[in-house]
Amino acid sequence: GAVVSQHPSRVICKSGTSVKIECRSLDFQATTMFWYRQFPKQSLMLMATSNEGSKATYEQGVEKDKFLINHASLTLSTLTVTSAHPEDSSFYICSARGEMDTEAFFGQGTRLTVV
Amino acid sequence: GQNIDQPTEMTATEGAIVQINCTYQTSGFNGLFWYQQHAGEAPTFLSYNVLDGLEEKGRFSSFLSRSKGYSYLLLKELQMKDSASYLCAVVDSNYQLIWGAGTKLIIKP
Repeated sequence: GAVVSQHPSRVICKSGTSVKIECRSLDFQATTMFWYRQFPKQSLMLMATSNEGSKATYEQGVEKDKFLINHASLTLSTLTVTSAHPEDSSFYICSARGEMDTEAFFGQGTRLTVV
Repeated sequence: GQNIDQPTEMTATEGAIVQINCTYQTSGFNGLFWYQQHAGEAPTFLSYNVLDGLEEKGRFSSFLSRSKGYSYLLLKELQMKDSASYLCAVVDSNYQLIWGAGTKLIIKP
């Protein structure tokens, strides 16, 4: 299957700082990228959907000014958690989908811990 | 509203067979996925069904009935490494993935 690389896999940051997570599609053009958040023992929660070259569509309850998503190219999307707080600590996962694909391929996930 | 239901947790014995059910009510249907997720890791793809019937892939099989809004994942010859969460996800009419909460499968020796 297609490969999606997410980086970093783990990050610890201080409260009030910003953290950037990268999601790259390595062998296909990702026209759509999805960002998910997952709390322990819970399912994936879609945060936002982004299409290359356009603004992301955020799910209800997700602060777009706090979770900045950029999808400037067909192979890269970034999620920046701004002014992180301990309650932002979570597992963040991206997935990418090509224009003609139904399946979305997942990155490895990023474990964010805010201290 | 859109809804995906699957059991929260199941327990099975090593070497046995287990069936994980998923029922869905979505606005449109463009396929159903099953993913496996080990704790602390991202989901990995198991199967995709868009037509009715059974798809077999090694020890894992997935079944779909669109008229009943129902799917199941069948795992045979269970191994300890199969202990994981299994997520059912449906592609709706807007090609958005609607996720179930996942079924935690516990395998006992």
